[in-house]
Amino acid sequence: SYELTQPPSVSVSPGQTARITCSADAVSKQYAYWYQQKPRQAPVLVIYKDSERPSGIPERISGSSSGTTVTLTISGVQAEDEADYYCQSADSSGTYWVFGGGTKLTVL
Amino acid sequence: VQLVESGGGLVKPGGSLRLSCAASGFTFSSYSMNWVRQAPGKGLEWVSSISSGSSYIYYADSVKGRFTISRDNGKNSLYLQMNSLRAEDTAVYYCARGIRYGRGVDYWGQGTLVTVSS
Repeated sequence: SYELTQPPSVSVSPGQTARITCSADAVSKQYAYWYQQKPRQAPVLVIYKDSERPSGIPERISGSSSGTTVTLTISGVQAEDEADYYCQSADSSGTYWVFGGGTKLTVL
Repeated sequence: VQLVESGGGLVKPGGSLRLSCAASGFTFSSYSMNWVRQAPGKGLEWVSSISSGSSYIYYADSVKGRFTISRDNGKNSLYLQMNSLRAEDTAVYYCARGIRYGRGVDYWGQGTLVTVSS
């Protein structure tokens, strides 16, 4: 089965850059998506198709892809960025969707 | 875009429940729709997807044969019929709109809690 692996936690100080990786256990033709979820709230899409940013998402949030790893980068981290972040993709056929286990971003 | 789930609640193991999602603010019939769940204190888990015209339907292995996704484009509504419920199905269930020409979600509802317990 297709799996995505994220680090459980990432900690950074305000103003620094946070990088959250998402590694696939196999090559997939499908894009990756990133969601931000704050406590007791529904997830919010922050990156789609590996590196595209929806309207309303600040430019300091970006995404990139290399091989079987996608990375979410948050530059100039602010307290409001503290949240859980999930990557998501699908198997090569696009039939089965998979979420990574999630990464808790802590702003020190 | 607004997605409002309903139908959650407490149900005994082996029981059934039907979730609904009322969509508004967009042309519902033009988008695929999805159900994603989150067990208490756990991560997100994809449950099921349905194409805009209901031609393509997919399920996670964990719910295949027990859950049925459907939609009524005339009523702008998405449904999830859940049968043979188990304790491990306890979760907040989110209705989510599919991204056009992609395999992701761009809008989420606020979720409805399903608790399976005796």
